[in-house]
Amino acid sequence: GAGVSQSPSNKVTEKGKDVELRCDPISGHTALYWYRQSLGQGLEFLIYFQGNSAPDKSGLPSDRFSAERTGGSVSTLTIQRTQQEDSAVYLCASSLVTGTDTSNYGYTFGSGTRLTVV
Amino acid sequence: AQTVTQSQPEMSVQEAETVTLSCTYDTSENNYYLFWYKQPPSRQMILVIRQEAYKQQNATENRFSVNFQKAAKSFSLKISDSQLGDTAMYFCASSGYALNFGKGTSLLVTP
Repeated sequence: GAGVSQSPSNKVTEKGKDVELRCDPISGHTALYWYRQSLGQGLEFLIYFQGNSAPDKSGLPSDRFSAERTGGSVSTLTIQRTQQEDSAVYLCASSLVTGTDTSNYGYTFGSGTRLTVV
Repeated sequence: AQTVTQSQPEMSVQEAETVTLSCTYDTSENNYYLFWYKQPPSRQMILVIRQEAYKQQNATENRFSVNFQKAAKSFSLKISDSQLGDTAMYFCASSGYALNFGKGTSLLVTP
């Protein structure tokens, strides 16, 4: 597509439920990133994919968080047993550059998913 | 660890005036890149300007320019002739394993 697409735009869920957030990157972008933006905070790096592989998952805040990417395209971020502290905007971005330093040219971001856990 | 610090949580400027947003960073990389992103209420992060650390010349994009002081690890953004549409959160970021962002500065442009 023309840009990075994220769905849903907004999600309200009950505490303890599982949620899936989807990211569809720009076609041909091999690198894909997930960030979390809590109220009044900057962007917290969660995970990045190079192709279908995630070289480093250490940014994921707990084992309730997982992510996968298939076909070098769409990625899904799954949060199990959601907690109120998971409420945030989850931003996805993609970039064309690959390698150990994938951020040299900046990223193209989606509009994010606002997750509210009640 | 790489850190990016934005010391101004909020700023305000009148339309047509000039405003400067501050950013300092810490990195152990020899070659790196610095960015300013704008996030309007639509939530979408928009790249405003990019600076390559090995270039001494400050980057400029129309009304947006940077003051890059490599030794001081300072990377400020100057917005000239401010417009109402410039109202947004502004994030400074440095390159590395992944982009590292500061906590942002909320800029309000008033008529």
